[in-house]
Amino acid sequence: NAGVMQNPRHLVRRRGQEARLRCSPMKGHSHVYWYRQLPEEGLKFMVYLQKENIIDESGMPKERFSAEFPKEGPSILRIQQVVRGDSAAYFCASSPPKREGTETQYFGPGTRLLVL
Amino acid sequence: DAKTTQPPSMDCAEGRAANLPCNHSTISGNEYVYWYRQIHSQGPQYIIHGLKNNETNEMASLIITEDRKSSTLILPHATLRDTAVYYCIVVWGGKLIFGQGTELSVKP
Repeated sequence: NAGVMQNPRHLVRRRGQEARLRCSPMKGHSHVYWYRQLPEEGLKFMVYLQKENIIDESGMPKERFSAEFPKEGPSILRIQQVVRGDSAAYFCASSPPKREGTETQYFGPGTRLLVL
Repeated sequence: DAKTTQPPSMDCAEGRAANLPCNHSTISGNEYVYWYRQIHSQGPQYIIHGLKNNETNEMASLIITEDRKSSTLILPHATLRDTAVYYCIVVWGGKLIFGQGTELSVKP
């Protein structure tokens, strides 16, 4: 069973460009979470999605950031008009449908975004 | 804010048991205790979780006190590859809130 897959693993963008980060959850998992880790800092929750629904976006910056998890295909984290402060590692995690109130999240290898 | 408190760093000799403590005095009755680790800059790796009872798997053991206000992660025979930042997280439902974790250094 393949783990959580993220691509690209490394992404370089110039200021003002758009960045698209993709996450394919583990087979059978219908919940996706995005986290960001700024250089020398801890992991911060960004958004939690189920298929076609955003459940919790309390950690998402109000502007330029958006996320989706369509019925078919991977989850996408989109950053418009990137700035140098967006340079970070972005991790995706997935979990199966919740049965007991919480399910274990499994993380992907991350996408390292560098904004020049 | 994270609901857990961990020592910032610990050392352990290779082959010995590593015991990583975590305080979570405000844990709610339905919140689970989860442990993850992050090796260098890789994605966090799930280790183990529990609610009330002690748990053991192929990686580690988790000891939760009876009042659930603290727990200990035990790596029975630490190896150099166990050097990582270990995160203790209490969670119910969705998001994980990571604290600063414990940086474990396993030394030869």
